[in-house]
Amino acid sequence: TQLLEQSPQFLSIQEGENLTVYCNSSSVFSSLQWYRQEPGEGPVLLVTVVTGGEVKKLKRLTFQFGDARKDSSLHITAAQPGDTGLYLCAGARGAQKLVFGQGTRLTINP
Amino acid sequence: EADIYQTPRYLVIGTGKKITLECSQTMGHDKMYWYQQDPGMELHLIHYSYGVNSTEKGDLSSESTVSRIRTEHFPLTLESARPSHTSQYLCASSEYGVGTGELFFGEGSRLTVL
Repeated sequence: TQLLEQSPQFLSIQEGENLTVYCNSSSVFSSLQWYRQEPGEGPVLLVTVVTGGEVKKLKRLTFQFGDARKDSSLHITAAQPGDTGLYLCAGARGAQKLVFGQGTRLTINP
Repeated sequence: EADIYQTPRYLVIGTGKKITLECSQTMGHDKMYWYQQDPGMELHLIHYSYGVNSTEKGDLSSESTVSRIRTEHFPLTLESARPSHTSQYLCASSEYGVGTGELFFGEGSRLTVL
């Protein structure tokens, strides 16, 4: 049983469209991180959300942590080919344990 | 830009061979980790270290072993590789605990055992 479920697992859209990726769990996390991984590279941290209901923006990317700290979403506005990659959410259970979702593979077509 | 390096990037070997995947970081981080990543699956923690001479097994059982003799170096060894060990191995380090700090990842070592 996967602790963190990401959906969709695959998403292919045209440049300029908007999209939302979800990260859901039945467990509470002390914080949640989003990473992006490009082919042949390691994951790179995009954002950390800590407070229930928190919203963080990174240019065209908007991250939200659920009020109950069990879920999160990533919304991309006007997607660009440079947004292509594997998006991973990771929930922290205390200070030392991090649980990853299986990832959403996003392709933005020019 | 992260200063954490993994070698080799790609390795194809036969069954029964001994292999060591190298991981080095120049950030002075005490905490280092090894994750296993397979397509469509979540990253699984297989080993971690909170400092020199400290190593622990992670959530996913692994036949590999690790050592931490120097702060900057955290190699992973497989004594006798098998096809089931075929995977991508990611090394990471952090300054703080994973709940509050950023994980810095290397580029990964993709291992194929024939």
